[in-house]
This record gives sequence, structure tokens and C-alpha cells, in this order.
Amino acid sequence: AQSVTQLGSHVSVSEGALVLLRCNYSSSVPPYLFWYVQYPNQGLQLLLKYTSAATLVKGINGFEAEFKKSETSFHLTKPSAHMSDAAEYFCAVSDASGSYIPTFGRGTSLIVHP
Amino acid sequence: NAGVTQTPKFQVLKTGQSMTLQCAQDMNHNSMYWYRQDPGMGLRLIYYSASEGTTDKGEVPNGYNVSRLNKREFSLRLESAAPSQTSVYFCASMSTDTQYFGPGTRLTVL
Repeated sequence: AQSVTQLGSHVSVSEGALVLLRCNYSSSVPPYLFWYVQYPNQGLQLLLKYTSAATLVKGINGFEAEFKKSETSFHLTKPSAHMSDAAEYFCAVSDASGSYIPTFGRGTSLIVHP
Repeated sequence: NAGVTQTPKFQVLKTGQSMTLQCAQDMNHNSMYWYRQDPGMGLRLIYYSASEGTTDKGEVPNGYNVSRLNKREFSLRLESAAPSQTSVYFCASMSTDTQYFGPGTRLTVL
């Protein structure tokens, strides 16, 4: 069984400040880990993914995430927030052996203040 | 290359009415999924299809049925809509390890 916990349903930052969105997972097998972004009234799109290669993963729009096995974490960061980053962010985990059924966290809404 | 398409974008039903949500993908993916998204609940899997001709229940299948018509199309049917089914519905397909989502259908059941 696998599960995902996203700490904080809402995160508020000022434009230019560091963005940190937290994700912890549990999985009985080596995981694949994902961050998806959802802009208002749109579907989800992949931001970045970890699939057992480099533990520091770089994604689109300046986001990156680090897989830390010892902490079972996959936190998403961006050095400097932009107004256009305001969106809902979802962390997801799937079985690296190919179960085809990702499990999603409940999402974190990122609010960016001018 | 349109990716994953869903119709309709919006729908309002009365309790007890039926409808089918359509989904199609042009990426030749084997696996397809239906999710519902409710505030504070994230995405919950309703049904999925690992390949053409197979379907399986997800976390919240009650009140829904699905059909994998062919490799491209995966439809979701509500036989007798209830207010609890008011939600945003997303279809997705999967490549090796990444899901691709449609734009969603916003359904309101009165």
C-alpha cells in the first residue's frame, strides 16, 4: 500500500520568496514520485518526476525536488516565487514495478502575494 | 496531437438523470483513468482501465460505470445522478510512468 501526505493545504509566500511545498510518502516498494501542477480551471500537468535516477530532480518553471529516502520525503522548492506560480500542487506516488495506479496527496494551494 | 480530450466541459443534471462523460486520447496509451476532484480531497480514483478490454474499480466506484470502447476512448456513466456526485471529473491516460490529464468536466447535480 502507498500513501502521500502533503503538509499544509495552503502555503502563502511573497513574490520573490522561497517556495517550499512538503510531501511525505509511504510505500512498501521503491517508489516513483511526482509533482503535478493545476492552474485554475485546468487539468493537472506534470511538473517533475523521480524515477530512481538522480535524487535531485529539476522540473519546469524553475521548480526542483529532492528525493530523500531516509526521510521518505519529496519536497518541492523554487528559489524565487512568481505571481504566475499561484496554483494547486499535487504530490503523487506510484509503485516502481508498474502498478499503473498513482496515489495522490490532497493538494497544496500556493498563494503568491505581490 | 490533442492529448486527452473530455466532453462536455460543463453539465447540470437533476437528481435521477443519467449521462455519459466522454474521454479520448491520441497518444496510443494503454492505461486510462477516471478521477473526481472535490475541495480538500485531492483526486480520488473512480475506475481505471489498464488495457483495452479491461476495467477495474478504484477508490470510489459506487454510482458509476465505465466502458473502454477501444484503445482511444474511455467513458464514464452516471446511471442515476445524485447531488453527492457534484464534482469535477478528470480523465487521464498514462505512458510508461507519467499521467496526462484532460481539462475536466464540471458536473452539478441539483
